[in-house]
Order: sequence, then structure tokens, then C-alpha cells
Amino acid sequence: KQEVTQIPAALSVPEGENLVLNCSFTDSAIYNLQWFRQDPGKGLTSLLLIQSSQREQTSGRLNASLDKSSGRSTLYIAASQPGDSATYLCAVRRFQGAQKLVFGQGTRLTINP
Amino acid sequence: SAVISQKPSRDICQRGTSLTIQCQVDSQVTMMFWYRQQPGQSLTLIATANQGSEATYESGFVIDKFPISRPNLTFSTLTVSNMSPEDSSIYLCSARPGTDINTGELFFGEGSRLTVL
Repeated sequence: KQEVTQIPAALSVPEGENLVLNCSFTDSAIYNLQWFRQDPGKGLTSLLLIQSSQREQTSGRLNASLDKSSGRSTLYIAASQPGDSATYLCAVRRFQGAQKLVFGQGTRLTINP
Repeated sequence: SAVISQKPSRDICQRGTSLTIQCQVDSQVTMMFWYRQQPGQSLTLIATANQGSEATYESGFVIDKFPISRPNLTFSTLTVSNMSPEDSSIYLCSARPGTDINTGELFFGEGSRLTVL
């Protein structure tokens, strides 16, 4: 059974810092991994999708990496801003025919001005 | 990408009543998905809805409690039946754009926040 873990559960940093959020999964046989952002009481916004054959994806100040063999992904946020404050969720899709995503519990990020 | 609209965005309901949540996608999609997020928890898939067939429910979820309709390729509804306070959650609709179910990002609606008194 695939399990996804995100550590830490919460993180508070001053504005302008670069930071890394971690995601680990127990079964390395994944199809892809997706990072989301969720603002309080709202839906999910897709940030980055990494296919199993890729090692990283970049979008603006965000960079996500994937190491399937070790069961890990990281989300790097450069030059953090107060507007980056949100909960960040990672989710894995187990195989090509599987439609379900298995989510981690998320990391609640606070950027202090 | 896909724009997914849900309504209602939030509601306060009485115990024992039922509520139907609507989900509209701005493009045709083969499958639509309904997730639940209980307070302080992550997301759990309730069911997968295909157009023209019955929804497929995950373990722990049943059709009598969460009936789903999928009348066409852009629309779905989820009903939460005979609600109890334990049903207080955010319910999220999601889909992958296009008719290719094997590739692509999953996109979510804004969620429907239900509080059951």
C-alpha cells in the first residue's frame, strides 16, 4: 500500500529565504508525482507535475525534484514571499491505469514579512 | 489546464438532510473524481465518475450515502445523503483535461465546504 509522508507538518520562515519542502513515498513504482498548493478553506491549485521518467520540473520560483529510487521528492521555493503562505501537498499516482492520487498530509507554510 | 467550477462553495446543513454539489468542467473529460477533505486531514478519494456508467466507489464509501450522477462529459453531481456532523468536510471535484485518461495533471475545483449541525 502506497503511503505518502510530508515533513515538516508546519514551517515558518522570514520573507526572502529559499526553502525546501519534503515528500516521501513508500513504493518507488510510481507513474507520476504532483505538487499542489491549498489556501485555507479552498480547493487545490496544481503547481508542478513530474512524470516518473523525469528528475525535475521548474515553474517560476518553484522547482520540484524526483528521486524514485529513494522514494523522495522535494519542492524548492526561491526568494519566498508572504503570498507563498499556504499548505503544500504532494500526491503520487501509482501506475498508468490508476486514476487515484495518494496524498500526503501537507506542509503548512508561513512566510513572515 | 482546466477550469472547474463547483457550487455551492459552502453551506450549513441540518442533520438528516441531503445536499447535492454540482461540478462543471470547461472541457470534455472522460473521468471526474470526487474527493473529501475532513478537517485537518488530507484528501481521500470518494469515487470516480464516468459518463454513461455507474460511479466506482473507494473502500469505505457507498452509493447510498454518496450518490453520483454524470449525465455528460462536462458535468457531475455528488449528493451527501442523510448528513451527520461527521460529514462536515470540504468536498472537491477534480478532472484531467481532454479524453486521454493516462496523461496529464489533475485539476481541482474550489471545493464545497459543508458544515452539518
